[in-house]
Amino acid sequence: DADVTQTPRNRITKTGKRIMLECSQTKGHDRMYWYRQDPGLGLRLIYYSFDVKDINKGEISDGYSVSRQAQAKFSLSLESAIPNQTALYFCATSDGTGGVAQYFGPGTRLTVT
Amino acid sequence: GESVGLHLPTLSVQEGDNSIINCAYSNSASDYFIWYKQESGKGPQFIIDIRSNMDKRQGQRVTVLLNKTVKHLSLQIAATQPGDSAVYFCAENKSNYKLTFGKGTLLTVNP
Repeated sequence: DADVTQTPRNRITKTGKRIMLECSQTKGHDRMYWYRQDPGLGLRLIYYSFDVKDINKGEISDGYSVSRQAQAKFSLSLESAIPNQTALYFCATSDGTGGVAQYFGPGTRLTVT
Repeated sequence: GESVGLHLPTLSVQEGDNSIINCAYSNSASDYFIWYKQESGKGPQFIIDIRSNMDKRQGQRVTVLLNKTVKHLSLQIAATQPGDSAVYFCAENKSNYKLTFGKGTLLTVNP
């Protein structure tokens, strides 16, 4: 089984709709991250959480919110989706005690029409 | 190396040749670097990492070289195989365990 899972894997939604992307991990890591990936722009950090009670904005948090429901679960919400939020979204985890490397889920391809 | 605009740098090699992928990083205070491989339709996969107090680290068929003087990182893949075809990008830890990622290089391995 994959260590970091994301649901859904693909989603098409309409402008103005609320949508939630979910991430679960079995790696036992404390730190979790949400990124979006756009062609030619690389990975950009949306939000990150270093433990259940810690939530921090990344470089592009506007239009997004997150919830850390448990050590293993970190969800990303788009309260009112807009077309320029069409992108690939990745969740990642890292072990705060062991190192810096982040381990990624398979991604969610989101299309906002 | 790093991309400009919307187009990724590309590297095309023959199967069996060695590949060298380059990355320029921005912050001389970065203390940790990682190379990732991303295949089409998949999430980035950790390949190898190196701390700033090292200048070379080897893994299985891969070697990472770090030149802090010119802020340059390279990934060498020995005996490149078709399964190595992917986008490769570097990441640096500038501060507080938040990574900054390069835009990537597309490696194509020709049979």
